[in-house]
Amino acid sequence: QVQLQESGPGLVKPSETLSLTCTVSGGSISPYCWSWIRQPPGKGLEWIGYVYHSGSTDYNPSLKRRVTISVDTSRNQFSLKVTSVTAADTAVYYCANSRDVYNPFDYWGQGALVTVSS
Amino acid sequence: DIVMTQSPDSLAVSLGERATINCKSSQSVLYNSNNKNYLAWYQQKPGQPPKLLIYWASTRQSGVPDRFSGSGSGTDFTLTISTLQAEDVAVYYCQQYYSTPYTFGQGTKLEIK
Repeated sequence: QVQLQESGPGLVKPSETLSLTCTVSGGSISPYCWSWIRQPPGKGLEWIGYVYHSGSTDYNPSLKRRVTISVDTSRNQFSLKVTSVTAADTAVYYCANSRDVYNPFDYWGQGALVTVSS
Repeated sequence: DIVMTQSPDSLAVSLGERATINCKSSQSVLYNSNNKNYLAWYQQKPGQPPKLLIYWASTRQSGVPDRFSGSGSGTDFTLTISTLQAEDVAVYYCQQYYSTPYTFGQGTKLEIK
């Protein structure tokens, strides 16, 4: 069974860049689709974007200007960068897997809380 | 963007009774070429990630108890828990994967009465 684990700093200063990595175990990055989803404390879920195993991406327009998602198939990892963060970016960030584009999220990581504060 | 609206926001049901959660999409998520509804339901317990329960609106994920069922088509969908168990206390989300950006409902908090 596929397992996902998020890693990265839990505290980021305003205006800086949030960086997270998701490590995939129990399966290969190929040929699947890998997403980042976030959840502000006590609130609902927001899809940030995905990277396909080929490297192609799609982002939520609400964040597109500040987000980059990339994949490293040799390490079985994919990553998220969000630039120019503010307190509104404080959230639990989840990585998740889909069998393909336009498919539900089968597997999720446990989530990583990222707080934006000086 | 497709807006997903769930009702009610919260729900209290007695153990052993039926729980029903509704989800409405702002446009159809039925893809006519394959007659599939691109709609999923997730369960999220405190401190845990969401767990996929139902996909294609009515297909139960492997390992999900058969007291969970999904129905509906087009823009109106329902998640039903036939006989509520204590472990079903959670927040439930619907999600459309018909088009990006994928979007979720605001969530329905299910509690025991």
